Amino acid sequence: DGGITQSPKYLFRKEGQNVTLSCEQNLNHDAMYWYRQDPGQGLRLIYYSQIVNDFQKGDIAEGYSVSREKKESFPLTVTSAQKNPTAFYLCASSYQGVTEAFFGQGTRLTVV
Amino acid sequence: KQEVTQIPAALSVPEGENLVLNCSFTDSAIYNLQWFRQDPGKGLTSLLLIQSSQREQTSGRLNASLDKSSGRSTLYIAASQPGDSATYLCAFRTGNQFYFGTGTSLTVIP
Repeated sequence: DGGITQSPKYLFRKEGQNVTLSCEQNLNHDAMYWYRQDPGQGLRLIYYSQIVNDFQKGDIAEGYSVSREKKESFPLTVTSAQKNPTAFYLCASSYQGVTEAFFGQGTRLTVV
Repeated sequence: KQEVTQIPAALSVPEGENLVLNCSFTDSAIYNLQWFRQDPGKGLTSLLLIQSSQREQTSGRLNASLDKSSGRSTLYIAASQPGDSATYLCAFRTGNQFYFGTGTSLTVIP
């Protein structure tokens, strides 16, 4: 089945640690996105990528990093510089142009 | 700044009732508008996509309309069921990005 797979579903981070969230898609989509969702707030864009080896910062990129070495994969690293990382993280993908977005099932990150 | 507003933030209805969820947006040059459903702790599931040239889309008991000139979209749910209980989000696409509302939390009471 085609889709977007995020892993892990739950992730715990200690203070000062970097953690990496995985996002893989087999939809042959060009564009991939990372969003952060906090209670009572809409989705906020962290990073997005339109093609391999290229990505752009979204509205809240500070404390996060990404890579796009393969079309299928867009991992997100939450660095120790992100002071409030506890949130629900969603990965999405789409074709270029006037097409719809598809989402993974999300990763819930908690600082312990 | 792009903004998407969804009203009401929460809605509770008895089973069987027809209901309308509202979405307003600030950019008339949208590429498309998409309605999603989100269950607690889950990702977003796409319900309907309306291209900018279209006025409405239907899927089963769901009907979504789009009025670009007024910056509004509505999601109509007919004969609501307890299984419809979820948060409904709208989002529009312009350029390379999507802009999301904060959602309407729907509870359908059996």
